[in-house]
Amino acid sequence: DSGVTQTPKHLITATGQRVTLRCSPRSGDLSVYWYQQSLDQGLQFLIQYYNGEERAKGNILERFSAQQFPDLHSELNLSSLELGDSALYFCASSVSGEGSPLHFGNGTRLTVT
Amino acid sequence: DAKTTQPTSMDCAEGRAANLPCNHSTISGNEYVYWYRQIHSQGPQYIIHGLKNNETNEMASLIITEDRKSSTLILPHATLRDTAVYYCIVRRIYGGSQGNLIFGKGTKLSVKP
Repeated sequence: DSGVTQTPKHLITATGQRVTLRCSPRSGDLSVYWYQQSLDQGLQFLIQYYNGEERAKGNILERFSAQQFPDLHSELNLSSLELGDSALYFCASSVSGEGSPLHFGNGTRLTVT
Repeated sequence: DAKTTQPTSMDCAEGRAANLPCNHSTISGNEYVYWYRQIHSQGPQYIIHGLKNNETNEMASLIITEDRKSSTLILPHATLRDTAVYYCIVRRIYGGSQGNLIFGKGTKLSVKP
């Protein structure tokens, strides 16, 4: 158990809808990262937050947004969903953004029908 | 960030040492080598990381060549539960997009009875 909690574990929704994925980092970790893993793309970095502030951005679509709250939990919002957004979404956390290992949750499996 | 090259797949007999190679010939002085593994769609699991000295923990050993252009992850006594995709990642620690990990395709390790 990595200590990173992601909810829900599974999510099935229709095209055009909006969903919110939630992540609770390990106790004491200030950085939160979001990754997307689809069958044909592998693990893709989306975005990183550190203590509530956006720190780095990767291949995140404009339809996607994230935030980190004062209690350090994070949410990833996916809107106008398309079939191609079906994937595993992983959250990870680390003590800081400066070299400490990332620890990953077990992901949310999103299916868009 | 420097790129890595890993074999696509490897087999190992149960109980034997698994030696997973990684080439990172363009690594910079401020870049660490990290190893993660992913077991069948679970979240990636941190294994070990190092800068230039060999490292060992309860999971594995990491051997980094003196010129730092390649490394080997050693699982000393592989079990069937070690069957997974193993990722070698070079990660910058100071400056730039520090913090996030860029995953490649990794090595699919199959441990056989």
